[in-house]
Amino acid sequence: TQLLEQSPQFLSIQEGENLTVYCNSSSVFSSLQWYRQEPGEGPVLLVTVVTGGEVKKLKRLTFQFGDARKDSSLHITAAQPGDTGLYLCAATSGTYKYIFGTGTRLKVLA
Amino acid sequence: ETGVTQTPRHLVMGMTNKKSLKCEQHLGHNAMYWYKQSAKKPLELMFVYNFKEQTENNSVPSRFSPECPNSSHLFLHLHTLQPEDSALYLCASSQGAGTTLKYGYTFGSGTRLTVV
Repeated sequence: TQLLEQSPQFLSIQEGENLTVYCNSSSVFSSLQWYRQEPGEGPVLLVTVVTGGEVKKLKRLTFQFGDARKDSSLHITAAQPGDTGLYLCAATSGTYKYIFGTGTRLKVLA
Repeated sequence: ETGVTQTPRHLVMGMTNKKSLKCEQHLGHNAMYWYKQSAKKPLELMFVYNFKEQTENNSVPSRFSPECPNSSHLFLHLHTLQPEDSALYLCASSQGAGTTLKYGYTFGSGTRLTVV
């Protein structure tokens, strides 16, 4: 069974701090996505990575796909209260079916 | 109205009730999905419809019954549920089941279901 483990589960930081969250598996994936889910809403796609070692940037967010395509990280620079939410990684081995991680719940305090 | 719309947003039902969840998308997508989100558990894929045909039933109990009359509408009919079925039920769509690799899912806001 493929599993995606996310760490940390919870993170509470002050505005302006940097943070990194991780998504790890023992399986190799062809594609990995990151979503953010705000309270009372569904997840919203942030990025898709498909190449081992790939780095993508979205404003203050930096996403990296591991060289072996088994893991990924999301780094946020100078976090803002608007970054608060549940961050989910999702990955597939090549089909339309993505498995989701358990999520990292981030709270950024003003 | 654009995006994926789910109704109702909140639902409380008894174990002997029958209710239905509705999902509607105006994105021109051909694939629609039902996911279950429970506390402390990853999102669980329940059903997949591609061009109105059910292509996936992820070992979901028969008390959950999906219906997809066309590519824009998806229903989840509920009957004789258990308290452990309480969760957030999310509907999602994609341009095609195979295109989630590139474009990902577009999710609705979900229906918060409580079974009493």
